[in-house]
This record gives sequence, structure tokens and C-alpha cells, in this order.
Amino acid sequence: NAGVTQTPKFQVLKTGQSMTLQCAQDMNHEYMSWYRQDPGMGLRLIHYSVGAGITDQGEVPNGYNVSRSTTEDFPLRLLSAAPSQTSVYFCASSYSFDVGSSGNTIYFGEGSWLTVV
Amino acid sequence: AQTVTQSQPEMSVQEAETVTLSCTYDTSESDYYLFWYKQPPSRQMILVIRQEAYKQQNATENRFSVNFQKAAKSFSLKISDSQLGDAAMYFCAYRAMNTGNQFYFGTGTSLTVIP
Repeated sequence: NAGVTQTPKFQVLKTGQSMTLQCAQDMNHEYMSWYRQDPGMGLRLIHYSVGAGITDQGEVPNGYNVSRSTTEDFPLRLLSAAPSQTSVYFCASSYSFDVGSSGNTIYFGEGSWLTVV
Repeated sequence: AQTVTQSQPEMSVQEAETVTLSCTYDTSESDYYLFWYKQPPSRQMILVIRQEAYKQQNATENRFSVNFQKAAKSFSLKISDSQLGDAAMYFCAYRAMNTGNQFYFGTGTSLTVIP
């Protein structure tokens, strides 16, 4: 069971370039989300999805785009990279509905380190 | 919107001693879950402990236990017999079960374990 898989783990971009962070999970979770982690600011939600074909904005969505064509995949696109998007990005997944106490945990990928120069 | 507050940016503890990390949250919901996650230098997010709001009994996982005070909206983590491997960033998180699916995270507490 691979859990949540993120790629790439490290990436350096030039300002203005675009790229896609890939995220896949094999736990049949309806809920998937992207967070960015910056020093002193904890985890901030970028976008999330409660199922295939459904996405919504989180706290800091500007400059990012997502889609959810399948249950398993939830890619995050940086449309035109800016230095302010230098961060560590985490993809996470969970069941959407209350499936009992053991099923409501959120599972994280290992993180993607992105530097925009 | 729900908020989660961790008022201790940094904490330290001597090896083998006990430390308590604080967390408070704001919600109007009655049914929700609370979590503590550990993030070591590798940056991997690891679930430490989970608490269901409808349970009065405090959750425990080996050396980790919580003090859940629902009326006070407080959810502290106690680490007993601290080990060097406990050194990490700890995040408190909240999830309501009846309104939306989002998880809300605190800003984290960095724990140092002194040998």
C-alpha cells in the first residue's frame, strides 16, 4: 500500500515558468487536498477536492490550479511561478464522510520542495 | 471559520522527562475530531494521536496522551519519558464531521529534546 505519492520531491523553477506537482493515492479516498508549508505559518490549504470532478479553493489559491479527473489523482499546477511560491508542498487525502474513528485521519505525501528563482 | 491555536512556538524538554504541548481551537460544532501530527526534520507528517469529540475519555498511545477539555476547547499533548526521537515540529489539527471536510492546522510547536 503506497499511500499518498507526490512527485517531484525537489524542483527549481525560474520565475514565469509553469509546472505540475503530481499527487496520487491508492486508498480510495474521496477527499484530497494541497497544502503549502512556510516557516511560522503552519500548513495552509491551497485547494481541495471532495471527489472526482469536484474541486474548491482553500485559504491561498491564487497562482494555483487543480483538477480531479479520477479518484486517485489530484495534480497541482503552478501557472506562472513566482518567488513567493517557494515553499514545501504537501498533498493529503482522507475519507470525506464519517466512516468511524479510524477512518477520519488525513494522510500526507512526503512533500515537494519547490524553489522559484 | 474554525481556528486552531498553538501558543508555544518552541518548547524544550530533558530526555526522560515529561512535556505538555498546548492547543486550543474555536468551533461551534459539537461533533469533530482532533489530531496531533509530528513532523521530524524529514518533513514527513506522522499521526501521533487522535481524539473524537464525543468521547469523554482522553486518548492515549504509549507515551503520548492528550488532555481534552471540550468545554474549554483545549486539546493538549503530553509526552512522557521523552526520547531524542521525539524532537520534531508538532501540529494540532481539527476536523468537523458535519460541515465540510477541511482540516485546520495550528502553526506548530517545535520540540527540542535535550540529552
